[in-house]
Amino acid sequence: DAGVTQSPTHLIKTRGQQVTLRCSPKSGHDTVSWYQQALGQGPQFIFQYYEEEERQRGNFPDRFSGHQFPNYSSELNVNALLLGDSALYLCASSVQGLETQYFGPGTRLLVL
Amino acid sequence: GQNIDQPTEMTATEGAIVQINCTYQTSGFNGLFWYQQHAGEAPTFLSYNVLDGLEEKGRFSSFLSRSKGYSYLLLKELQMKDSASYLCAVPRDNYGQNFVFGPGTRLSVLP
Repeated sequence: DAGVTQSPTHLIKTRGQQVTLRCSPKSGHDTVSWYQQALGQGPQFIFQYYEEEERQRGNFPDRFSGHQFPNYSSELNVNALLLGDSALYLCASSVQGLETQYFGPGTRLLVL
Repeated sequence: GQNIDQPTEMTATEGAIVQINCTYQTSGFNGLFWYQQHAGEAPTFLSYNVLDGLEEKGRFSSFLSRSKGYSYLLLKELQMKDSASYLCAVPRDNYGQNFVFGPGTRLSVLP
């Protein structure tokens, strides 16, 4: 039973570029949440997808957008990258209505 | 809104016991989670408390007092592999599906 997977594991971009990160949830899970974790800090909630719609959103600008596909996998897109977007991006999956979330290994994004 | 506070760093000796505290302020309450995160890796689920009291799971135990807005994670018989960050988290709202995380407590276990 595969856990949550994310790709790529590492990514280097320059300011102004756009990036797409991908996540496949744990088998049997239908809800995907995305978090940003800066070095030395706890994860910050970006948004959550369920039934292919954004259900909840944290305090992140519109440069951050996402998508969920019929197979429950999800993408996180960040436009017009800033240096401050450098972080570990975590995907977490869960079953709608149950609290426990399971995290993927993350994508480490470096913006130069 | 929610606010969570944890000590930033702690150090303990192999074989010892350590208690990591977490205080929280929430508009509602739907339980409290503890996650372990090794450097450069994803957080892994440790425990979930929704009722007051102590939940024991092997070497790890978690305690909750809802009236005091307080929880702790107790690690016994510390091993070197327990060196990690320990994150306290509460659901953002009554929907319970997403978390507000504390800053994490970085635990260093020394030989």
